[in-house]
Amino acid sequence: SAVISQKPSRDICQRGTSLTIQCQVDSQVTMMFWYRQQPGQSLTLIATANQGSEATYESGFVIDKFPISRPNLTFSTLTVSNMSPEDSSIYLCSGQWDSGETQYFGPGTRLLVL
Amino acid sequence: KQEVTQIPAALSVPEGENLVLNCSFTDSAIYNLQWFRQDPGKGLTSLLLIQSSQREQTSGRLNASLDKSSGRSTLYIAASQPGDSATYLCAVQSSGDKLTFGTGTRLAVRP
Repeated sequence: SAVISQKPSRDICQRGTSLTIQCQVDSQVTMMFWYRQQPGQSLTLIATANQGSEATYESGFVIDKFPISRPNLTFSTLTVSNMSPEDSSIYLCSGQWDSGETQYFGPGTRLLVL
Repeated sequence: KQEVTQIPAALSVPEGENLVLNCSFTDSAIYNLQWFRQDPGKGLTSLLLIQSSQREQTSGRLNASLDKSSGRSTLYIAASQPGDSATYLCAVQSSGDKLTFGTGTRLAVRP
């Protein structure tokens, strides 16, 4: 299995600011993903983080709001830009070695926007 | 668009009871189905993965079944323990390896 860590684990931010969340995997994974879990809701996929190229975003999510980087096979960042209280959520990253295999999740970053 | 529903939304049982959690999905064109556990304030732990060609998977006291044609999966937990208390999520994986998650079942096992 993969061990995935995220930084920060939680943060409280002011509206209009941006926060970058880091995701580190202890082994090289083919695929990395970013999810959002709004209060009381299940997880929703934001985007697939592609190494060396632009992320693939799901409907309702755009690069200007959620820029993603993936410089190598073990690391990715998600930035939540120009935050509003509606962005208060848990943000989780996941990694997967190969297509059709188990996805392993990080512990999540709990974001509160005031 | 794939939609995943879990029933019941919440469940409270006494310790030692066997229980079944249900998951249904609308599009049967899936690669696999995964069951996860989420503890309060923590991330997701993978429990079982069933490939679309499989009917069931077992791990310890957990058994998951998959009926792809009818769009259903069940997670059976034998001899439940207080440590099993958590939210259980099912997720189906389709093209692009994206996971579509269900709404979750919040389980409480009473000592």
